[in-house]
Amino acid sequence: EVQLVESGGGSVQPGESLRLSCAASGFSFSSYWMHWVRQAPGRGLVWVSRINSDGSTTSYADSVKGRFTISRDNAKNTLHLQMNSLRVEDTAVYYCTRVAYSSSWYVDYWGQGTLVTVSS
Amino acid sequence: QLVLTQSPSASASLGASVKLTCTLSSGHSSYSIAWHQQQPERGPRYLMKLNSDGSHTRGDGIPDRFSGSSSGAERYLTISSLQSEDEADYYCQTWGTAGVFGGGTKLTVL
Repeated sequence: EVQLVESGGGSVQPGESLRLSCAASGFSFSSYWMHWVRQAPGRGLVWVSRINSDGSTTSYADSVKGRFTISRDNAKNTLHLQMNSLRVEDTAVYYCTRVAYSSSWYVDYWGQGTLVTVSS
Repeated sequence: QLVLTQSPSASASLGASVKLTCTLSSGHSSYSIAWHQQQPERGPRYLMKLNSDGSHTRGDGIPDRFSGSSSGAERYLTISSLQSEDEADYYCQTWGTAGVFGGGTKLTVL
């Protein structure tokens, strides 16, 4: 059974940092691209970042570019999101997602999410 | 620019069928999408991948009450024999140069 378990969320002040982690199990983690998706309270889903299977290629939404860094440790089956210079508008539930490819990329598994609150 | 457009809300009666729509922006009518369900106070769940020819692949454990179809730039999710637990937000998703989500449709089961 595919499982994605996020951790590391919490409450911080603007300008501070947090590091999210996602523990993956039930599939060959090193074979899959992984994405982070977030959802602000009462709002829709927004794509944040992606990383390819060996960690050599990453991309980011414009809203987080230069502040967030996605990485992975395939030996530990773990995905990370380092979030620096956090802003109030980064407040959201952050979801770790597995991505599959069949003529196009699509999310096929979601974690349960971890809440990040940025407030002064 | 790649954009997915969804109606904000829909409703249908218990036991009936409902068809939700996701519209791809101009120039992107060949794109595949995925449908995701988010029940209240829960994380999203992948329902299916839907291609431009209407072929679709459901996720693990997704009942065949959920089906997909396509016409031009429109991608549809049909839910038949509506149950109370189908009351949820439904999002479409695709990929261009970045991930793209529709704004979501809130389905109310009457």
